[in-house]
Amino acid sequence: DSGVTQTPKHLITATGQRVTLRCSPRSGDLSVYWYQQSLDQGLQFLIQYYNGEERAKGNILERFSAQQFPDLHSELNLSSLELGDSALYFCASSGGTSITKNIQYFGAGTRLSVL
Amino acid sequence: GQNIDQPTEMTATEGAIVQINCTYQTSGFNGLFWYQQHAGEAPTFLSYNVLDGLEEKGRFSSFLSRSKGYSYLLLKELQMKDSASYLCAVRESGYSTLTFGKGTMLLVSP
Repeated sequence: DSGVTQTPKHLITATGQRVTLRCSPRSGDLSVYWYQQSLDQGLQFLIQYYNGEERAKGNILERFSAQQFPDLHSELNLSSLELGDSALYFCASSGGTSITKNIQYFGAGTRLSVL
Repeated sequence: GQNIDQPTEMTATEGAIVQINCTYQTSGFNGLFWYQQHAGEAPTFLSYNVLDGLEEKGRFSSFLSRSKGYSYLLLKELQMKDSASYLCAVRESGYSTLTFGKGTMLLVSP
């Protein structure tokens, strides 16, 4: 168990809908990262938050947004969903002051199916 | 930007040794990571190299040559449970984000 919690595990929805994915980082980690993994694209970085502030952006669509709350949990919002958004969405966290601070630990992921 | 290359698939036999290579091009290097990912599951951290040389951790070792933009993951005494995808990831200077390669699918057969 990595200590990173993601909910829900599975999500089935229709095109045009909006969903919210939730992530709780490991205790003490200030950074949260969101990734999308589809069969043909591999693991793609979407966005990073650090202590409530957006820190870095990757290949995130304008239809997607995220935020990190004062308790450090994060949410990824996906709107106007398309069939191509079907993928595994992972959250990872890193931080702390130990020698492991540079390592990202991943949650179990949310499998999104857009029908 | 970064470019990371690793073989798509490899096969090996139980009990054998396998080496998975990763080459990368980056404008500023600040660490290379290896993760293991079983199908449909989360990537799990295996190793982290920031300096040249070999890091050994049980049956797994990882090597880095920064001048050559090259790393490998060495798996010894292969077990069936080692069948998984192995992801190479690079962190660029000034960032804590990772860029992942597409992964190498390793199949271990009896």
